[in-house]
Amino acid sequence: GNSVTQMEGPVTLSEEAFLTINCTYTATGYPSLFWYVQYPGEGLQLLLKATKADDKGSNKGFEATYRKETTSFHLEKGSVQVSDSAVYFCALSDLMNDMRFGAGTRLTVKP
Amino acid sequence: GAVVSQHPSRVICKSGTSVKIECRSLDFQATTMFWYRQFPKQSLMLMATSNEGSKATYEQGVEKDKFLINHASLTLSTLTVTSAHPEDSSFYICSARAGTGNSPLHFGNGTRLTVT
Repeated sequence: GNSVTQMEGPVTLSEEAFLTINCTYTATGYPSLFWYVQYPGEGLQLLLKATKADDKGSNKGFEATYRKETTSFHLEKGSVQVSDSAVYFCALSDLMNDMRFGAGTRLTVKP
Repeated sequence: GAVVSQHPSRVICKSGTSVKIECRSLDFQATTMFWYRQFPKQSLMLMATSNEGSKATYEQGVEKDKFLINHASLTLSTLTVTSAHPEDSSFYICSARAGTGNSPLHFGNGTRLTVT
């Protein structure tokens, strides 16, 4: 079945550092890929998504490119801010199967 | 790690009947639980947020009388789809959070509901 493997955390960075959170997936067919974010004290929010190979999702300075050849959807940001501290979830969904989430990666950005 | 058990994983029911979905936190106390609905290849849609012992807070456009949510204890929340219709067929997923503030979400495996 489909599954998502996400880089384990926690991740601690200094402000303005470069961020990468790895996400790889296993799926039959052509799933849509998502990154969700949970800010402290809040519910889940969609951060970005990509629906086909080579698509790049982007939002709030975050980017992720759908790489079919490596079955990856790594999340990147060139310069993180304290306000980016949150838990990030990678997820996939396709037409035949249900949505699957990674375990989540906690990011803490220090001033 | 924290485990959220959602049951059943799949259910088929006839139009007009009601279906109950359970979401249990197995090894932690979930002060807040969230219920989502998801269509194939689409993002999650938050339906409601429930806190133990109080009424659920529903998102705009979600019918309270249609989707009954009960968070009766710190380890159990239920979603009942009342008088189900084929358009209610979807994937429903719950998540739970222990404590407040920086506590992470933990997801159930979801329930595929098919209404015939």
